[in-house]
Amino acid sequence: SQQGEEDPQALSIQEGENATMNCSYKTSINNLQWYRQNSGRGLVHLILIRSNEREKHSGRLRVTLDTSKKSSSLLITASRAADTASYFCATDPQVYNFNKFYFGSGTKLNVKP
Amino acid sequence: EAEVAQSPRYKITEKSQAVAFWCDPISGHATLYWYRQILGQGPELLVQFQDESVVDDSQLPKDRFSAERLKGVDSTLKIQPAELGDSAMYLCASRSRALNTEAFFGQGTRLTVV
Repeated sequence: SQQGEEDPQALSIQEGENATMNCSYKTSINNLQWYRQNSGRGLVHLILIRSNEREKHSGRLRVTLDTSKKSSSLLITASRAADTASYFCATDPQVYNFNKFYFGSGTKLNVKP
Repeated sequence: EAEVAQSPRYKITEKSQAVAFWCDPISGHATLYWYRQILGQGPELLVQFQDESVVDDSQLPKDRFSAERLKGVDSTLKIQPAELGDSAMYLCASRSRALNTEAFFGQGTRLTVV
């Protein structure tokens, strides 16, 4: 399977704490994307990191990519109750000619006020 | 800000009936995807279009599902006949044809088959 796999499956923290989610994948990739999904809604794009990048930031989000370990992490700093959602990584395998991307099963984050 | 439009947002249908979902991607996006998401799981790719052509439908249950994108713009996903196990969220996404660009999702259609 080309899908990324997130770890942990569920995470519960207090508001103000940092949240770290990990994604592992099996095949070489062009890029990796992180998405957020609030309950019953569509997916919101957070960050895309290319295979030749090691770290990207966007506001309170920090994404790292280690292609030697085939893994990525998403760090949310100073979490807020509004960050409560499911977070998914999506990998874009190099083996395909067209822009494909495959999702893992996600990390369910609960931020307690 | 440009968005991917999907309709309907919710659909309840009886098993063995036909159902259709519509998606209008962001203008200029050549690539369009349909995903199915079962509650508690990640989205699963059903079909991918590049312009009007299907480039991947390997996970589409072709005995009951069909998808088209006739003019390379909007797309329709159809299920006939619907089965209880088809209850899920159906998500449409679009993306520029350039590599390493973000894909944007619509709000999805929540299908319940009774």
